[in-house]
Amino acid sequence: DTAVSQTPKYLVTQMGNDKSIKCEQNLGHDTMYWYKQDSKKFLKIMFSYNNKELIINETVPNRFSPKSPDKAHLNLHINSLELGDSAVYFCASSQIYRGNTGELFFGEGSRLTVL
Amino acid sequence: KNEVEQSPQNLTAQEGEFITINCSYSVGISALHWLQQHPGGGIVSLFMLSSGKKKHGRLIATINIQEKHSSLHITASHPRDSAVYICAVQKDSNYQLIWGAGTKLIIKP
Repeated sequence: DTAVSQTPKYLVTQMGNDKSIKCEQNLGHDTMYWYKQDSKKFLKIMFSYNNKELIINETVPNRFSPKSPDKAHLNLHINSLELGDSAVYFCASSQIYRGNTGELFFGEGSRLTVL
Repeated sequence: KNEVEQSPQNLTAQEGEFITINCSYSVGISALHWLQQHPGGGIVSLFMLSSGKKKHGRLIATINIQEKHSSLHITASHPRDSAVYICAVQKDSNYQLIWGAGTKLIIKP
C-alpha cells in the first residue's frame, strides 16, 4: 500500500494551460505539504495544510492554488502554466506533535514539463 | 549565507569505506531531519532527531545542539547507498523546514 501517492507522475503540457496534481495519504497524518524541486535540485516548500487549514503559504504566484477537501488529500491546481513552472512537485505528509513536524513521508513526485 | 550548510557537496568513495556527511545550521531548532533522494527521484526520511544519536542498520546520525552541527555516517558503504542526502532543520516554534542543498554521494564498486 502506497503511503503517499500523487498523480500524475508525468505531465507534459503547453504554456497557458491549467493543470492539477492530486495527492492522497493513507497514514492518518494531520499535515500535508507541497514542495517544488527545480533543476538545481533544491526543495522549496510551497504550501502546507494542517487538518485542512493552510499553515504555510510561501511566496508562490497566485496561479498556484492548493485545495484540501479533507486531511487525507491535498491537491495542487496551477493556472496559466509558464515555462518556469517546469519542475518536479513533491507531496508529503507528517503528523505534527508538540510543535514538531514529525517524520516526513513523500510521494514519488510529479514531473511537470511546460512546453 | 544559507541557514543550513551541508558538506561536502559531492562525495565519491569506494565500496566499504566509512562515509561522513556534515550539516551545520545557524538557527535555533527543535528538530533536524536527514533524508535520502535516490537517482530515481524518490525521497525517503532517514532520521529525525533533536539530540544525541540514532542508528538504523549501517546509518548513524548524530547531533550536537550546542555546536549546531549534525553528521550522517554510513558504515561499510555499498553502491546502493549512492544517492543525494539532504539535511533539513525545523526552526523553534515554527512548522517551516529549512533545507540544505544536499550531498551527492557516489559509491563505486
